[in-house]
Amino acid sequence: AQSVTQPDIHITVSEGASLELRCNYSYGATPYLFWYVQSPGQGLQLLLKYFSGDTLVQGIKGFEAEFKRSQSSFNLRKPSVHWSDAAEYFCAVIAGGFKTIFGAGTRLFVKA
Amino acid sequence: SQTIHQWPATLVQPVGSPLSLECTVEGTSNPNLYWYRQAAGRGLQLLFYSVGIGQISSEVPQNLSASRPQDRQFILSSKKLLLSDSGFYLCAATGTDATYGYTFGSGTRLTVV
Repeated sequence: AQSVTQPDIHITVSEGASLELRCNYSYGATPYLFWYVQSPGQGLQLLLKYFSGDTLVQGIKGFEAEFKRSQSSFNLRKPSVHWSDAAEYFCAVIAGGFKTIFGAGTRLFVKA
Repeated sequence: SQTIHQWPATLVQPVGSPLSLECTVEGTSNPNLYWYRQAAGRGLQLLFYSVGIGQISSEVPQNLSASRPQDRQFILSSKKLLLSDSGFYLCAATGTDATYGYTFGSGTRLTVV
């Protein structure tokens, strides 16, 4: 069955430091991959998506993600974190059909 | 682009009372519509999805139901709420091609007391 794993429940980084959030998926073919961000008490906002082509994709708010087929991973990165990036981040996959499978989320804390 | 209106933002309901949450979509026709529930500190659980008027698929058997009376309207209902129905409910939409990603509403925080 298709699945998405976000190994880190929460991560704390210092403002200005780099960030990498991990995501691994389970699917036999190349899936459609997404990262979403959720601020407290709000809905989710799409950060970026990967379908095919260049394995490094750029998104909004300075985020990028890299698809690595050999590792079944789609990690989210940002070179310099701002305090406003504190939120929960969800990796997601469409693996056949039109239903999206979400990971359990990683909560990002940013310290001054 | 799509915009989703979801209301109310917060709701406190007694156990055994009925529920009706509404979601409307602007900016697209014939969207795929979804209801998700997010329990505190947990991921998103797909409850229902709809690919057209009157077409509802249920992912999780429970005391909730959904209806789509109009193309851009999606309603989540319950006849009798349980304590376990508390959570954050999110409506989402995609175009007919879901691979472009979801647009989410701002959510409804439901507390059953």
